[in-house]
Amino acid sequence: DSGVTQTPKHLITATGQRVTLRCSPRSGDLSVYWYQQSLDQGLQFLIQYYNGEERAKGNILERFSAQQFPDLHSELNLSSLELGDSALYFCASSVVPTTNNEQFFGPGTRLTVL
Amino acid sequence: AQSVAQPEDQVNVAEGNPLTVKCTYSVSGNPYLFWYVQYPNRGLQFLLKYITGDNLVKGSYGFEAEFNKSQTSFHLKKPSALVSDSALYFCAVRDLQGGKLIFGQGTELSVKP
Repeated sequence: DSGVTQTPKHLITATGQRVTLRCSPRSGDLSVYWYQQSLDQGLQFLIQYYNGEERAKGNILERFSAQQFPDLHSELNLSSLELGDSALYFCASSVVPTTNNEQFFGPGTRLTVL
Repeated sequence: AQSVAQPEDQVNVAEGNPLTVKCTYSVSGNPYLFWYVQYPNRGLQFLLKYITGDNLVKGSYGFEAEFNKSQTSFHLKKPSALVSDSALYFCAVRDLQGGKLIFGQGTELSVKP
């Protein structure tokens, strides 16, 4: 158990819908990262937050947004869902975003868009 | 741009034999390299990292990795494989700005009894 929690574990929804994925980082970790894992794209970085502020953006679609709250938990919002958004979404956390800190991953949320 | 490559989609090893999962990297500047393992329906688990110092890095579950600057490689090794080592292994390089991990495509390790 990494100490990073994600809810829900599974999510099944229809095209055009909107969903929210939630992540709680390890106690003491200030930085949160979101990744998407799919068969065709592999593991792709989406977005990073540090102490409530957006720090870096990756290949995140405009239909997707995220935020980190004062209690440091984070939410990833996916809207106007398409079939291609079906994937495993991981949250990871680290103490601070320096290059020598490993990231600890949550168990993921498996999103299925029908 | 920084990147890592895992040249083998799958590695098959007999239990008790040594295993190697290959990774090569391309970075500008000093590399910060990581290995993660993913078991079915689970998240990624950190195995080990190379930041600086000794080229042989020891990690969890008896795994180790050898950093080779001249060959730009960071291969994962274990002297004696277990069936329970069967999983998906990812090599990653840390973005120099201190943010994202850039992952390889992953290598499926299968250890047979």
